[in-house]
Amino acid sequence: GQQVMQIPQYQHVQEGEDFTTYCNSSTTLSNIQWYKQRPGGHPVFLIQLVKSGEVKKQKRLTFQFGEAKKNSSLHITATQTTDVGTYFCAGPKKTSYDKVIFGPGTSLSVIP
Amino acid sequence: ETGVTQSPTHLIKTRGQQVTLRCSSQSGHNTVSWYQQALGQGPQFIFQYYREEENGRGNFPPRFSGLQFPNYSSELNVNALELDDSALYLCASSAGTSGRTYEQYFGPGTRLTVT
Repeated sequence: GQQVMQIPQYQHVQEGEDFTTYCNSSTTLSNIQWYKQRPGGHPVFLIQLVKSGEVKKQKRLTFQFGEAKKNSSLHITATQTTDVGTYFCAGPKKTSYDKVIFGPGTSLSVIP
Repeated sequence: ETGVTQSPTHLIKTRGQQVTLRCSSQSGHNTVSWYQQALGQGPQFIFQYYREEENGRGNFPPRFSGLQFPNYSSELNVNALELDDSALYLCASSAGTSGRTYEQYFGPGTRLTVT
């Protein structure tokens, strides 16, 4: 079945350093969504990318969707303590738009 | 806040019992998806309801069933509870149309503990 992988599993950075998490799907996705979950909280929608090769920015966050629509990345510039949490990528298989599969997440810790 | 609410917040059940979890979707949203999230893992897709019909299902046994009502609120029912069912159950609503996947807005979740 469809699998979505994320690396790294954990990342500890000094405040001000950059952070990148990578997402890879075993199948072509119709779109990719990114969510952030704070400790003890629930996933919060960040962004959705639909087009092959698409790049979107939200302030210090940059999201990319691969040309083959099987991988994606989230890059945070100059991390802040408010960036702490687990970042999940999620996407429906191109042929099964109704089943959104989440990756295992990358847990980000920011050391002040 | 997303406007998606879930009840109850916490629940403790005994193995073999049955449980019903509830979700009220965000205003204007007609699609509800349910996820199971074990500690330290990503949400696992259980199923989705679109306009009161099941619209897709993940790898969960039939003892996981659901319902969506005309106001688009939803229930998740789990029969014959097992210890491994202990998890955070999340519902997510979205403004879907058949054939499209939109961004999902999650509720706070129900923490189910099975003893």
